Amino acid sequence: DIQMTQSPSTLSASVGDRVTITCRASQSISSWLAWYQQKPGKAPKLLIYKVSTLESGVPSRFSGSGSGTEFTLTISSLQPDDFATYYCQQYTDYRSFGQGTKVEIK
Amino acid sequence: EVQLVESGGGLVQPGGSLRLSCAASGFTFSSSEMDWVRQAPGKGLEWVSYMSPTGNNIYYADSVAGRFTISRDNARNSLYLQMNSLRAEDTAVYYCARDRGPAATDFWGQGTQVTVSS
Repeated sequence: DIQMTQSPSTLSASVGDRVTITCRASQSISSWLAWYQQKPGKAPKLLIYKVSTLESGVPSRFSGSGSGTEFTLTISSLQPDDFATYYCQQYTDYRSFGQGTKVEIK
Repeated sequence: EVQLVESGGGLVQPGGSLRLSCAASGFTFSSSEMDWVRQAPGKGLEWVSYMSPTGNNIYYADSVAGRFTISRDNARNSLYLQMNSLRAEDTAVYYCARDRGPAATDFWGQGTQVTVSS
């Protein structure tokens, strides 16, 4: 099974900050990597798929990069609506998620 | 409008069974890959199971393999998860989700709560 590890687990930031979350896979997953945002009590929302393709309707301040085993999600200028938990997911070998990164207000 | 509505959750004793349902609308269900994903209280997301449009390909997480069975009825636009031999660690909100394959899982239901406790 492919294990996904995110860092950090919690991130404290202010509105306007540039934020980067890292996701590492236990083996190569090529480009089959997605990012989700989840707010308390809500279903996850797809932000990015295939490493860097922005889902329709997602603001352009979100971007993804990486390949093989190391990937990043970047929020270029953090907005109040962005305080949430973010998950990466690989979908090359079944599916599996990272443990999540909570972005909280500093 | 795409809609996924889960039902069938509830309180069950350890060792018991439960069958979850997911009613789909607003898209061509019979052509769609589907997933079940769960989230234990205060924890992260855990993928549970996948099913291809015709049911030819089915996958399970190791944690549920041999106890859970995914199925679908394309005529009824419905996805199911039969859960047997339930354990306390199966307590979670269970989501069904539309899986677009290379374009990832793009739409989730609101979830149904499953609590395993005596």
